[in-house]
Amino acid sequence: SQTIHQWPATLVQPVGSPLSLECTVEGTSNPNLYWYRQAAGRGLQLLFYSVGIGQISSEVPQNLSASRPQDRQFILSSKKLLLSDSGFYLCAWSLEGGGETQYFGPGTRLLVL
Amino acid sequence: KQEVTQIPAALSVPEGENLVLNCSFTDSAIYNLQWFRQDPGKGLTSLLLIQSSQREQTSGRLNASLDKSSGRSTLYIAASQPGDSATYLCAVRISGGYNKLIFGAGTRLAVHP
Repeated sequence: SQTIHQWPATLVQPVGSPLSLECTVEGTSNPNLYWYRQAAGRGLQLLFYSVGIGQISSEVPQNLSASRPQDRQFILSSKKLLLSDSGFYLCAWSLEGGGETQYFGPGTRLLVL
Repeated sequence: KQEVTQIPAALSVPEGENLVLNCSFTDSAIYNLQWFRQDPGKGLTSLLLIQSSQREQTSGRLNASLDKSSGRSTLYIAASQPGDSATYLCAVRISGGYNKLIFGAGTRLAVHP
């Protein structure tokens, strides 16, 4: 069966510090991968998606970036965090080609102070 | 631009009540519509997926309907239980391309004994 992991679960970072959030998927090959951000009381906003190694598409311009160094690894990064980067970050995967649904990880709660 | 709205934003009901959550979307050209459940501080779990050609889907005490022409979907929960307390998110997959989901802000449900 497939599983998706995210870490860390919680992170408190000062403004201006770097960020690296990791997501890994097990039990499937060539998945589509997604990074979402969820602000308090709001829906999920798609940040990045990837259909393969090294292939990243950005949905929203921001100071975040994403990378996919391996087939089942997806990393969200920032060189300098802003207060507005606080939120709940969710990684998701779907079958190659899109699939019918997306499967979500447990999320990382980021607080920027 | 596709926008998804969920009403009400929050709902508190006594145990045993039947309830309806509403979702509306502005562009009827959708591939499918999904209802997700999110427990506090957790990831999303898919509840029901309705293809654009379908009218409804049922799973246990849950029934979701889709009226694509009017841009509406409802999630019906029968005989609500305290364990149903969570945030319910509606998401539409826009036609074509990769599996891109547009989410509503969710309805926060509290079922009290």
